[in-house]
Amino acid sequence: AQSVTQPDIHITVSEGASLELRCNYSYGATPYLFWYVQSPGQGLQLLLKYFSGDTLVQGIKGFEAEFKRSQSSFNLRKPSVHWSDAAEYFCAVHSSGGSYIPTFGRGTSLIVHP
Amino acid sequence: DTAVSQTPKYLVTQMGNDKSIKCEQNLGHDTMYWYKQDSKKFLKIMFSYNNKELIINETVPNRFSPKSPDKAHLNLHINSLELGDSAVYFCASIGRDRNSPLHFGNGTRLTVT
Repeated sequence: AQSVTQPDIHITVSEGASLELRCNYSYGATPYLFWYVQSPGQGLQLLLKYFSGDTLVQGIKGFEAEFKRSQSSFNLRKPSVHWSDAAEYFCAVHSSGGSYIPTFGRGTSLIVHP
Repeated sequence: DTAVSQTPKYLVTQMGNDKSIKCEQNLGHDTMYWYKQDSKKFLKIMFSYNNKELIINETVPNRFSPKSPDKAHLNLHINSLELGDSAVYFCASIGRDRNSPLHFGNGTRLTVT
């Protein structure tokens, strides 16, 4: 069965600092990988996705993520965090075969200090 | 135009009551889901429907019954509400390609007292 691990429950950064949120997945074949962001009181919004091709993908709001097959990772990065980036971030995997169950990590809460 | 809309946004009710949450999507998607998000923000899939047919039922109590009158709607009815049902419930839909992202509604915060 597929699974997603986000090892950091909370991350605190200062505004303007760089950010990396970790995501590791477990899936037998090439997964479809996603990062979503959830602002308070809102649903989840897609930041970026990877399914093939260039392993470094660009998303909205200046975010990027790199797929590393050897490490089963899909870490999210941003070079300079803004206060408005404070939110909950979810990594997710969609299976490329079998039952179509998008599976989410537990989420990482990003706190931004001024 | 809201792509995935849920109503109501907030629902406060007492134990033992029956309540429904409605979800509609105007994206033309065939597949819709219900997710439950607990107080620790963990998202757990509950049900999935494809073109009005149930395809996933993830060990959810029988008190929860989804209904899909057409592929644009997936409603969730909950009988005999319990304190542990308090959570945020999200409806989502997805296109046919597996590399498509989920489109989420804004959630329904259910509080059972």
